[in-house]
Amino acid sequence: NAGVTQTPKFRVLKTGQSMTLLCAQDMNHEYMYWYRQDPGMGLRLIHYSVGEGTTAKGEVPDGYNVSRLKKQNFLLGLESAAPSQTSVYFCASTPDVGVNYGYTFGSGTRLTVV
Amino acid sequence: AQSVTQLDSQVPVFEEAPVELRCNYSSSVSVYLFWYVQYPNQGLQLLLKYLSGSTLVKGINGFEAEFNKSQTSFHLRKPSVHISDTAEYFCAVKASGTYKYIFGTGTRLKVLA
Repeated sequence: NAGVTQTPKFRVLKTGQSMTLLCAQDMNHEYMYWYRQDPGMGLRLIHYSVGEGTTAKGEVPDGYNVSRLKKQNFLLGLESAAPSQTSVYFCASTPDVGVNYGYTFGSGTRLTVV
Repeated sequence: AQSVTQLDSQVPVFEEAPVELRCNYSSSVSVYLFWYVQYPNQGLQLLLKYLSGSTLVKGINGFEAEFNKSQTSFHLRKPSVHISDTAEYFCAVKASGTYKYIFGTGTRLKVLA
């Protein structure tokens, strides 16, 4: 059981380049989330999804887009990367927010924009 | 809106000593509270959670936390820490009826030999 898998694990981008981060979960979880982690700021929610075909904005959505075409996958896109987007990105999922299981996290993607 | 405050950014403690990591929250509705641990270069793992019932919650690796509604706190404790407990610890809150978990800024626990 792989849980939540994030690819790639590391990436260096030049300013203005685009890329997509993939999050895949094999637990049939309904809810999926993208967070960024920056020193001294904890985890901040970028976008989230409450089910296949749905997405919603979190606290810091600017500069990012997401898609959830399949229930098991949640993609995070950067159309034109900026140095301010240098961060560690975490994907998380949970089966049912009503029961409060807590999140299952992926191991993260470390992104550097130069 | 909900918020979480972890006042201590870093806590150094000697091996086998007790430790308390502080977490305070604010919310106008009922909340559920969580502690997560992040070891270096890894994702976050759930340590324990408070949903309802007994205010003292026991988690993995010998950690426990106490929910105090009057002080809006959910402090994490361990009576005797090990070197392997060195990690970053995050407190999180989820309000009843919402989809999102709000995280604190984290406390870095460093256990010294």
